[in-house]
Amino acid sequence: GAVVSQHPSWVICKSGTSVKIECRSLDFQATTMFWYRQFPKQSLMLMATSNEGSKATYEQGVEKDKFLINHASLTLSTLTVTSAHPEDSSFYICSATNHRESYEQYFGPGTRLTVT
Amino acid sequence: GQNIDQPTEMTATEGAIVQINCTYQTSGFNGLFWYQQHAGEAPTFLSYNVLDGLEEKGRFSSFLSRSKGYSYLLLKELQMKDSASYLCAVRDRNRDDKIIFGKGTRLHILP
Repeated sequence: GAVVSQHPSWVICKSGTSVKIECRSLDFQATTMFWYRQFPKQSLMLMATSNEGSKATYEQGVEKDKFLINHASLTLSTLTVTSAHPEDSSFYICSATNHRESYEQYFGPGTRLTVT
Repeated sequence: GQNIDQPTEMTATEGAIVQINCTYQTSGFNGLFWYQQHAGEAPTFLSYNVLDGLEEKGRFSSFLSRSKGYSYLLLKELQMKDSASYLCAVRDRNRDDKIIFGKGTRLHILP
């Protein structure tokens, strides 16, 4: 199956700093990438949808100026958490799909963010 | 809007069969997914249903009834490694085909 990687797998940062998380599709071109956030024992909450070469669309309640998403190529999307706060600590998971080829979303392994 | 309901937790015995139900309400149904997620890991794809009926894949089967807004995931010959959360997710064509997840069902397998 298709492989999606995320980097870093875990990160600890101080309040007020920014953190960038990368999501890469390794063996296919991703027309669309999705960013999810998951708190402990809860389900995945869709944050935003990222299409290559266009602006991301954010779900209701997600601050676009705080969670900056860039999808510069068909294999890379980045999520930057700006001015991080402890409440931003969560598991961030990306997924990628190529609508022209498959209905399936392929998930990355996730990034554990801890803000101190 | 979209509403996806599934039980929060279930318990079953090793070697047995368990059925996890999912009901959904969506205006633009365009497929239903089941994912397995172990703690601290990303979800892994189990099944996809877009037409009514049963899809069987090894020990796992998934059923869909679009008229009832209902699906179930059936796990047979349960193994300890099946202890995980099972996520029901629906794709909505009225939301750019985004996949929206239910809260998940935590399945505990007892020896």
